[in-house]
Amino acid sequence: DTEVTQTPKHLVMGMTNKKSLKCEQHMGHRAMYWYKQKAKKPPELMFVYSYEKLSINESVPSRFSPECPNSSLLNLHLHALQPEDSALYLCASSHANYGYTFGSGTRLTVV
Amino acid sequence: SQQGEEDPQALSIQEGENATMNCSYKTSINNLQWYRQNSGRGLVHLILIRSNEREKHSGRLRVTLDTSKKSSSLLITASRAADTASYFCATDRMNYGGATNKLIFGTGTLLAVQP
Repeated sequence: DTEVTQTPKHLVMGMTNKKSLKCEQHMGHRAMYWYKQKAKKPPELMFVYSYEKLSINESVPSRFSPECPNSSLLNLHLHALQPEDSALYLCASSHANYGYTFGSGTRLTVV
Repeated sequence: SQQGEEDPQALSIQEGENATMNCSYKTSINNLQWYRQNSGRGLVHLILIRSNEREKHSGRLRVTLDTSKKSSSLLITASRAADTASYFCATDRMNYGGATNKLIFGTGTLLAVQP
């Protein structure tokens, strides 16, 4: 299995909702990442997990809460989001000094 | 925070022509990678060049790296309409005392290949 699977592919949520994005990989990669991408912009790093521990938080607002339940799964819990948080959320995994494998993303719309 | 700038921002060529995209970055790196993205979906890894390498080939792709100038270029030869996409360079470097790698993307080049 050489894929990163993200669910759901599309999500519409209200500003008072709580939702979660899920990411799964079975390549044995020990580093996993969340990126946020706005239209016509490059992906921006949000969080990095290394060996299931949060290693990097790029000053992301607390309404985004990451979780790594095990070495194959990465979640992003969303609560009280703003319309400006609407974006494509990308998950990735990597093995040291090799290319990263990205999922196809979750397109999030906050209404 | 963005690591690099890409040039040009947009490029339109005819099928069969070569396309060259340039990337400049700011800090020391472990490696530099190029990715393709179609229509705002997931990124596809194209090629990785390590900091001690100067040139690398993969099929119709040729990547160069000049660490003294902190720059890289991606050449796509004999382009096809299916190559139409956004192309991003990304620098991979150790962060926070070497605990974790960090992949930071450049601004991207939008390539349009006309049939």
